[in-house]
Parts: sequence; C-alpha cells; structure tokens
Amino acid sequence: EAQVTQNPRYLITVTGKKLTVTCSQNMNHEYMSWYRQDPGLGLRQIYYSMNVEVTDKGDVPEGYKVSRKEKRNFPLILESPSPNQTSLYFCASSLSGGIGRGWADTQYFGPGTRLTVL
Amino acid sequence: GDSVTQMEGPVTLSEEAFLTINCTYTATGYPSLFWYVQYPGEGLQLLLKATKADDKGSNKGFEATYRKETTSFHLEKGSVQVSDSAVYFCALSTRNQAGTALIFGKGTTLSVSS
Repeated sequence: EAQVTQNPRYLITVTGKKLTVTCSQNMNHEYMSWYRQDPGLGLRQIYYSMNVEVTDKGDVPEGYKVSRKEKRNFPLILESPSPNQTSLYFCASSLSGGIGRGWADTQYFGPGTRLTVL
Repeated sequence: GDSVTQMEGPVTLSEEAFLTINCTYTATGYPSLFWYVQYPGEGLQLLLKATKADDKGSNKGFEATYRKETTSFHLEKGSVQVSDSAVYFCALSTRNQAGTALIFGKGTTLSVSS
C-alpha cells in the first residue's frame, strides 16, 4: 500500500531533550516536506526537500533540522525542543517538486505526530 | 507573497443541505489549486484539484472551479452527509526560485448533523 508513515504518533517530552520524528514514504517520491498545524494558523511549512541531499527552509524553520540521506526517509530533528514547538506535525511527499508540471503534483500526507513539550 | 484566504468556520449544516466554502488566492504566475480534507484524527488527503483556469475539479460529490478572473476556487456540494464532517483546506501550489511551495489556508471546519 502506498503510504507515508510517521513515528511516533504521540510524544510528550521536556524542554531541551533532543528528539527525532521519523518520516518514510514508499512511493519513490522525490519531494518531501514537513508541516506543523496549529489552531487558527492552518498548516505552515517547516522544511522541504526536492531530492536526496537537497533541503531548504520553509516558512517556520527556526528550532528544527532535517536531513535527506535516502530518498524514502526525511526525519525531523528538534535539537532542543521548547514549549512553543508543541504542535501537530505532518510529513508529506509528492512525485516531484519542481520539474516540469511538478507543482501540480498531489501531496500525500502522513497520519501526523502530536508533540507536547513541557 | 502568495497566500490563500478561506472562510472562517465552523460551518454547521443539516444533512442534505447545500455547502459552499469560499476560497480566494493571491499568487504570481499560474498556480495549481487544491482542496484537501482532514477527517478527525487523520492526516490530510486530497479531495480535488485544478491546474489551469476554468478547470473544474470534482470528487465524492464535491466540486470547485478555478476562476482566474476572480482568483477563487470555491468548494461546493449539493447535499452534504454526516460523513462529510471534517476540516477542509484550500491550498495553492506554485513554483518559486527554490522549487514548489504548497500554501494552505487556515482551514474551515464543517459539522453536519442528521
């Protein structure tokens, strides 16, 4: 089954304790992205990756890191989490991110990771 | 910069009522337009999309027409069901110097009662 998986689905942690949220897709997609969803703000892009070893900042990158060493995986790293990073996080992927008509590609979303930072 | 504005919710309707959720956008160039739906406890999934002016996207009884002259992509359904209760996001996708950006509206919560 074609899908985007995220782990963990729920996480409660404390300020300053490094954490990683994993994201994996099995559709051979080139483009992957991380979003956070907050009430009244909708979804905001954190980082995206056009392909392996190519990553770039989205609208709200502060406090986050990403890496894209393999095509299928795109982990989100919080080196020193703070309470303002409490949010619902979504990973997404699409076939291509900017080649030809790639901007019309559908993005496929993971089920979300609810993070609470105390 | 590019942006999407959609009507504030929540929208509360009775079963079989007509639904309209307004969406307007601001973009340079020629964006593709999308409606995504988020059911309770789940991630977003594509509902429909349109890639050029006057295109109509449709799925599951929902429709939206890409109107370049009014920069709008309003979502409509003739007869809603309880199972349509969800959060609906309008989004646009456009190329910038760094590649593709997907920009979302803030979402509209729809609640349908029987």
